[in-house]
Amino acid sequence: QVQLVESGGGVVQPGRSLRLSCAASGFTFSNYGMHWVRQAPGKGLEWVAGLWFDGSKKYYADSVKGRFTISRDNFKNTLYVQMNSLRAEDTAVYYCARDQSGVVRNFDHWGQGTLVIVSS
Amino acid sequence: QSVLTQPPSVSAAPGQKVTISCSGSSSNIGNNYVSWYQQLPGTAPKLLIFDNNERPSGIPDRFSGSKSGTSATLGITGLQTGDEADYYCATWDSSLSVRWVFGGGTRLTVL
Repeated sequence: QVQLVESGGGVVQPGRSLRLSCAASGFTFSNYGMHWVRQAPGKGLEWVAGLWFDGSKKYYADSVKGRFTISRDNFKNTLYVQMNSLRAEDTAVYYCARDQSGVVRNFDHWGQGTLVIVSS
Repeated sequence: QSVLTQPPSVSAAPGQKVTISCSGSSSNIGNNYVSWYQQLPGTAPKLLIFDNNERPSGIPDRFSGSKSGTSATLGITGLQTGDEADYYCATWDSSLSVRWVFGGGTRLTVL
């Protein structure tokens, strides 16, 4: 069955960097678009970034553009997000999610999430 | 302020029916598929409805979706206490900054 397992979360100071990973299994990873979606404590869902099955096209929310970089390694079946210049408002649970088709269809499978806390 | 507008909360008794609305614009709902997600307390979201009105395998037919113009609706019949959750609508927005947008979420309480 489809499994997505995020890792790399933790406590980080404002202005520092962090890289999250999402290990995928149970499906042909290289055939699917992937996304990062986050949820601040007690708040709703916010899409962060997405990329095509081959990584050729990437899309970002305005709130993270220029600071976050989404990438993937189709040989390692792993999705990444490099988060730089972190701010307190980036504190959230970060979920990786598979797109049913391309990057504009839906989020048909989700990981369990990894918590990022940006605090001094 | 979310791009898609949902009521913050809805409630109904067990066995009853409830609808949750999601209002957008021509750049999002009006020209793209809508999907709905259920988030039970303390868990990751789960796809409930895709392509406006399709259910993934394993989702009971008590859950339904519809879309008209720039609005979408999630319907749940035969409410159960286990349906208590947050529900989110989402779609692709092809305005100035192409991106995914979510509704603010609706908390369903089964009284």
